[in-house]
Amino acid sequence: AQSVTQPDIHITVSEGASLELRCNYSYGATPYLFWYVQSPGQGLQLLLKYFSGDTLVQGIKGFEAEFKRSQSSFNLRKPSVHWSDAAEYFCAVLPLTGGGNKLTFGTGTQLKVEL
Amino acid sequence: KAGVTQTPRYLIKTRGQQVTLSCSPISGHRSVSWYQQTPGQGLQFLFEYFSETQRNKGNFPGRFSGRQFSNSRSEMNVSTLELGDSALYLCASSLDQGIGDTEAFFGQGTRLTVV
Repeated sequence: AQSVTQPDIHITVSEGASLELRCNYSYGATPYLFWYVQSPGQGLQLLLKYFSGDTLVQGIKGFEAEFKRSQSSFNLRKPSVHWSDAAEYFCAVLPLTGGGNKLTFGTGTQLKVEL
Repeated sequence: KAGVTQTPRYLIKTRGQQVTLSCSPISGHRSVSWYQQTPGQGLQFLFEYFSETQRNKGNFPGRFSGRQFSNSRSEMNVSTLELGDSALYLCASSLDQGIGDTEAFFGQGTRLTVV
């Protein structure tokens, strides 16, 4: 079955430390890949996306993600976390075929930043 | 450019009632998708409308329905509300030019509480 897995439900890092959030997908063919961030009570904001080409993609707010086909992974990274990065992060996929904009989301990773 | 607007932001309804939520997409966007977000089930796709036609549908009961108007604005309706329908309902709009590179922009959501 097609699925998206975010193995870490909660992550706590110190401000200034590096961050890596994991995402694995299980699909027949490599789908389009996205990372979204959600602050409490708010909608989702797109951080970055991968469709094809360079496997290291740059996003907003200093985030980047690396697509690894062999591992079916699309991990999100940030070299130095700021307190304002505390939020919930969602990995999402969109199948290449089938048409439409039906996103499938992972369960999310709640990021806490210690000052 | 105005973002995706969802109204109302908050709603309290009684079991058995029905409710209608509204979503105004970004100007020029023809695709509107709806998602339900709950602590237990996470983000789940409800349905997508494109040019006034339902293009994709998630695994929700028939009590959940939607429509899209000629100006791309969309409404979703939930009839015979149950306690379990309490959730944050998110709307997303996409330009969707059919060339693959697509991106969903989310509204801030409508928080529905069923009592």
